[in-house]
Amino acid sequence: AQTVTQSQPEMSVQEAETVTLSCTYDTSESDYYLFWYKQPPSRQMILVIRQEAYKQQNATENRFSVNFQKAAKSFSLKISDSQLGDAAMYFCAYLSGTYKYIFGTGTRLKVLA
Amino acid sequence: KAGVTQTPRYLIKTRGQQVTLSCSPISGHRSVSWYQQTPGQGLQFLFEYFSETQRNKGNFPGRFSGRQFSNSRSEMNVSTLELGDSALYLCASSGGDTTNTEAFFGQGTRLTVV
Repeated sequence: AQTVTQSQPEMSVQEAETVTLSCTYDTSESDYYLFWYKQPPSRQMILVIRQEAYKQQNATENRFSVNFQKAAKSFSLKISDSQLGDAAMYFCAYLSGTYKYIFGTGTRLKVLA
Repeated sequence: KAGVTQTPRYLIKTRGQQVTLSCSPISGHRSVSWYQQTPGQGLQFLFEYFSETQRNKGNFPGRFSGRQFSNSRSEMNVSTLELGDSALYLCASSGGDTTNTEAFFGQGTRLTVV
């Protein structure tokens, strides 16, 4: 069975600095998708970034980028120029052909002014 | 385009009762999935429906059931409520195939069992 592990329960970053959130996963499948979702206090889960496993190029969305290491089964999220609005729970998620998202336990990101 | 709508937003029920939660997906989306979120267990997959058929089910007891209607709206039912069922229940909709993988989430229903 697939698993997703986020080993950092909480992280802090100074405003305007860069922070990296870690995620590792375990799977025997070759075709899958990886996501980072953000859940602010409003509880609304918002997609931050998506990576298709067959693409070697790391995904980038504005200040958010990933470091996808398929062989190492690692999928970290880098947030550049951190803003107060980035404070939230961040969940790493895995999706395969079973149409079932598997989420990590989350990392709470605090942004310090 | 309207987002995923979950009703009600908050619910308080007594042990032993049953509850029905509703989810209206984004227009055009045929897949609806449900997740239970608790501080201790995180986000746990309940089930996923596509075109009125359950395609996948998580490891939850039979007290948890769901269905999807022809307009893609979905309901989730929990019977004989237990204190441990207190959680945030999230619904997500997507296109349901490998070209439409992004799940759009509703704001959730906060269920409290007393």
